Amino acid sequence: GEDVEQSLFLSVREGDSSVINCTYTDSSSTYLYWYKQEPGAGLQLLTYIFSNMDMKQDQRLTVLLNKKDKHLSLRIADTQTGDSAIYFCAESRRTDSWGKLQFGAGTQVVVTP
Amino acid sequence: KAGVTQTPRYLIKTRGQQVTLSCSPISGHRSVSWYQQTPGQGLQFLFEYFSETQRNKGNFPGRFSGRQFSNSRSEMNVSTLELGDSALYLCASSLGQGNEQFFGPGTRLTVL
Repeated sequence: GEDVEQSLFLSVREGDSSVINCTYTDSSSTYLYWYKQEPGAGLQLLTYIFSNMDMKQDQRLTVLLNKKDKHLSLRIADTQTGDSAIYFCAESRRTDSWGKLQFGAGTQVVVTP
Repeated sequence: KAGVTQTPRYLIKTRGQQVTLSCSPISGHRSVSWYQQTPGQGLQFLFEYFSETQRNKGNFPGRFSGRQFSNSRSEMNVSTLELGDSALYLCASSLGQGNEQFFGPGTRLTVL
């Protein structure tokens, strides 16, 4: 099974906040990422956090990391229809494998008017 | 600054053929990683190159190979194509350790 797990679907109303959750199992993870994928497109890096941090905020995006529970979340404030996409959580592990990302299955976010 | 470019964007091949995909990283980036994305298996790591050396390899058969040139451009090759190789192949580039990976738009490979 996958070492990075995400819920598969999230429906949110426009203007509300979205929270996408992710759990990982490798305690040696050094970087944790959030990517966005729109239909027919590649992956767009949204934000990332080092595993020694607890929180990172970037405009409408807030990443929270609970190292004890190995839980990562992405909060999108004031969700817009353009935020509809698949969101992937990913981790890179250990200093010798920093070029290898382990992805979750992705969370499909649907924003309704 | 131009992003990661991948060519071709779309490709249709038949079983048994081989294919070569190309990736040009962001200028100055020396690390290139390749991923396969399918509806069933999701995003899976293929291999990663840094300064022309393969640093990591995923769990794919030997039919999948790659290389990196001195200008950091990378190619991946799939020989003896199978139907199951139909996928979106994504390339990502990075400055190196401790730096984020930026993805290209992908090459959509269809094997008939």
